[in-house]
Amino acid sequence: ETGVTQTPRHLVMGMTNKKSLKCEQHLGHNAMYWYKQSAKKPLELMFVYSLEERVENNSVPSRFSPECPNSSHLFLHLHTLQPEDSALYLCASSQVAGQGTDTQYFGPGTRLTVL
Amino acid sequence: GQNIDQPTEMTATEGAIVQINCTYQTSGFNGLFWYQQHAGEAPTFLSYNVLDGLEEKGRFSSFLSRSKGYSYLLLKELQMKDSASYLCAVMDSNYQLIWGAGTKLIIKP
Repeated sequence: ETGVTQTPRHLVMGMTNKKSLKCEQHLGHNAMYWYKQSAKKPLELMFVYSLEERVENNSVPSRFSPECPNSSHLFLHLHTLQPEDSALYLCASSQVAGQGTDTQYFGPGTRLTVL
Repeated sequence: GQNIDQPTEMTATEGAIVQINCTYQTSGFNGLFWYQQHAGEAPTFLSYNVLDGLEEKGRFSSFLSRSKGYSYLLLKELQMKDSASYLCAVMDSNYQLIWGAGTKLIIKP
């Protein structure tokens, strides 16, 4: 495996379900990110982890809970979601957060539908 | 507030040239990125500009004017596979990426 992988690629869940999204990066990077992408809207940064520590939480509702057990893996735990949370959830990684030349590399995303 | 503007959609012909513009107003500037995103796929990095001027990379070039808060992505010799969304993003003074909504480019034969 190379680059950034995400599973599952598609997820349909009810509002009372609990599910988790998984991201893995094989690039040796130290920073990982969760983004939400809705149709015709800019990417919204949700969480940033640098060296497994959360460094950014952009006022994301508590029904989204991130976890970064090591620098290669990132999870997004979901519970009691709302239909407006339906979107493409993208994971990205970069060498180190907080530098101008730091390029982020993205996974293919999880298409989430909340019924 | 911080803002990135780019056209929602553009159409061009195979073999032609197209220029996708991006204007920005951000708190600070630490570089501007262009990404390409095919439908249902990951955004992929195209270019990074931090100094004024033109950066050329094969058929793609990116231009930056910091004084005007303006960038463009120039695509030459368009191919059908260039049909995608093109995302402009600026890194602000907090080293956070501020994203535009993307420009959907449609290539016609």
